[in-house]
Amino acid sequence: DAGVIQSPRHEVTEMGQEVTLRCKPISGHDYLFWYRQTMMRGLELLIYFNNNVPIDDSGMPEDRFSAKMPNASFSTLKIQPSEPRDSAVYFCASSLGTSGGAQETQYFGPGTRLLVL
Amino acid sequence: QQQVKQSPQSLIVQKGGISIINCAYENTAFDYFPWYQQFPGKGPALLIAIRPDVSEKKEGRFTISFNKSAKQFSLHIMDSQPGDSATYFCAATDSWGKLQFGAGTQVVVTP
Repeated sequence: DAGVIQSPRHEVTEMGQEVTLRCKPISGHDYLFWYRQTMMRGLELLIYFNNNVPIDDSGMPEDRFSAKMPNASFSTLKIQPSEPRDSAVYFCASSLGTSGGAQETQYFGPGTRLLVL
Repeated sequence: QQQVKQSPQSLIVQKGGISIINCAYENTAFDYFPWYQQFPGKGPALLIAIRPDVSEKKEGRFTISFNKSAKQFSLHIMDSQPGDSATYFCAATDSWGKLQFGAGTQVVVTP
C-alpha cells in the first residue's frame, strides 16, 4: 500500500485566498484524522471522521475551516479565507477502528506545508 | 491546555548513550499511551505503545516505563544511534477519546 497520500505537499498562497488540502487514506481504514502542527501549539487534532461521517470537529479553529469526506477514499480540508496565522503543516492520518479509533495505530501522511503570505 | 506534559524540549546524546524522555498526565481515564517518532519532512509514525496494566514494555532498543500511581511514563532509547535523531511525541487517550499529544522532544544523537 502507498500509505496515506496528501496533496499538495507545499502550498503558498496569499491572505484571503481559498486553500484546499486533499487526503487519500489507506484503503480499508475507516477512521480519518486531520491534524495541524506548529511550533507554538504542537500537534492539534482538528477533526476526525468515522466511516465518512464527522465525529468530532471541536478542534476546528473557526468557521473559516471546513472538512468533508465524500467517500471512503477521499477527504478535503478547506480554509476560506486563509490568514497568515493558518501557516502550518497539516497532516492527514487514517486508522483501522475496532475498539475505538483513538487506540488504533494512526498512519500519518507526509503532510502539506502551508504558507499564507 | 496540554493534557500531556512532555520534557525535555530537546536533548543531545552521544552515540551509544541513553536518551530519556518523560511525560506526565492528569486524566486517570487515559488507558493507552503511544509514542510517535517524526523525522524532518515526514509525518509522525508509531514507535511503541503501552497500556497501564504493565509497568514496562520493550521493543528492541526502545523501552517505555510506566508509573500509574505517579501518572508518568517515559521513553528510554538505549544505545542511541545517529539514525534515532528525530522528534519524539508521547500521547495518551482513553477508549473513545482523541489522542492527546505532548509537545515533542527533539533528540539529536552525535557521532
